[in-house]
Amino acid sequence: KAGVTQTPRYLIKTRGQQVTLSCSPISGHRSVSWYQQTPGQGLQFLFEYFSETQRNKGNFPGRFSGRQFSNSRSEMNVSTLELGDSALYLCASSLNGGEETQYFGPGTRLLVL
Amino acid sequence: EDQVTQSPEALRLQEGESSSLNCSYTVSGLRGLFWYRQDPGKGPEFLFTLYSAGEEKEKERLKATLTKKESFLHITAPKPEDSATYLCAVQAGNAGNMLTFGGGTRLMVKP
Repeated sequence: KAGVTQTPRYLIKTRGQQVTLSCSPISGHRSVSWYQQTPGQGLQFLFEYFSETQRNKGNFPGRFSGRQFSNSRSEMNVSTLELGDSALYLCASSLNGGEETQYFGPGTRLLVL
Repeated sequence: EDQVTQSPEALRLQEGESSSLNCSYTVSGLRGLFWYRQDPGKGPEFLFTLYSAGEEKEKERLKATLTKKESFLHITAPKPEDSATYLCAVQAGNAGNMLTFGGGTRLMVKP
């Protein structure tokens, strides 16, 4: 079974631009969660999508948004990029978003200059 | 607020030297505790899920245990390929499927 895939793997943007990251979950998984990983803050939850609806949201500004499509693929968007948005963005999928295991993708490394 | 603290932050071991990593947590209604391994530049790789105090899980040289306040990841006779950052995360009763992560323990095993 193929794992979680994320595209692109690396991205360089400048301040003020916007970026869209994509995540394809494991086949059959309906829940997709996004996390931001930085050396200073570690891994922090952004939001979770299930059946095309945002079900849970972390403590991030409104510049961070996402969506999920009918095939469970998900995208996250960051508008008006700031230097502090430089991070590894990780996507995780699980069957139904309950207590079952979340499986992570390889991440997208975003560098904001 | 849910909190997860991992110790030590870094651990150097000689090959074959067994040790334990600690994960202390404060959470309102634990639904699950998860251990992941992360190699540099990669996403976390799932190791174990523990749901209730007293539960233990084993996989090769790794064994995870859970009490009401903490979890331990025991590494028996580690090899250099066990070098990685080990992450602990909890899922709380009132936070959907959100995982709250600890800062991780960076393990280095020297041959």
